[in-house]
Amino acid sequence: QKEVEQNSGPLSVPEGAIASLNCTYSDRGSQSFFWYRQYSGKSPELIMSIYSNGDKEDGRFTAQLNKASQYVSLLIRDSQPSDSATYLCADLNQAGTALIFGKGTTLSVSS
Amino acid sequence: GAVVSQHPSRVICKSGTSVKIECRSLDFQATTMFWYRQFPKKSLMLMATSNEGSKATYEQGVEKDKFLINHASLTLSTLTVTSAHPEDSSFYICSAPPSGGRDTQYFGPGTRLTVL
Repeated sequence: QKEVEQNSGPLSVPEGAIASLNCTYSDRGSQSFFWYRQYSGKSPELIMSIYSNGDKEDGRFTAQLNKASQYVSLLIRDSQPSDSATYLCADLNQAGTALIFGKGTTLSVSS
Repeated sequence: GAVVSQHPSRVICKSGTSVKIECRSLDFQATTMFWYRQFPKKSLMLMATSNEGSKATYEQGVEKDKFLINHASLTLSTLTVTSAHPEDSSFYICSAPPSGGRDTQYFGPGTRLTVL
């Protein structure tokens, strides 16, 4: 059974700072990873996907993947209060179809 | 991006009744849809995979006779919680990948079920 581990937080950062969110996964053979943002009472929305070792940047967001360490991270630059949410890291299930989520890290950005 | 809708968004029912939740892909076809459940302060847990034209595949520990899934068309999947009990109260979310899109998934807005 695949597992995805995240520190539940909360992670608190001041406005304008860099928020760093981390995730580890159990299956060394996993290839695809996803970061979702979930506001309270809402469904998750995709921020980024990453498939290759290294960094992938999209605006203020940078995803990092290190397959040797089985580690995925998400950096949020210039954090805004609107970034306050729960961030979910996800792997694909064994069938490669559905998502296996971590417990999520709650981020709080103070103004 | 693609849109997935769910109906109803919120439902309150009495213990012992059945509740049907619909998941629709509005602008794409989905041969497969997924149903997740999320308890308060917990992460999303995959319940089952809904397959158009065939039986749903349930995750370990999910009762298939309690959570009935029907994938009636390429744009509609329904989840029926039968004989609901208070412990079934949860946030139910569906997702759908556009056909051929193995990784990208679009989530519905979720259905908050409260069983009294």
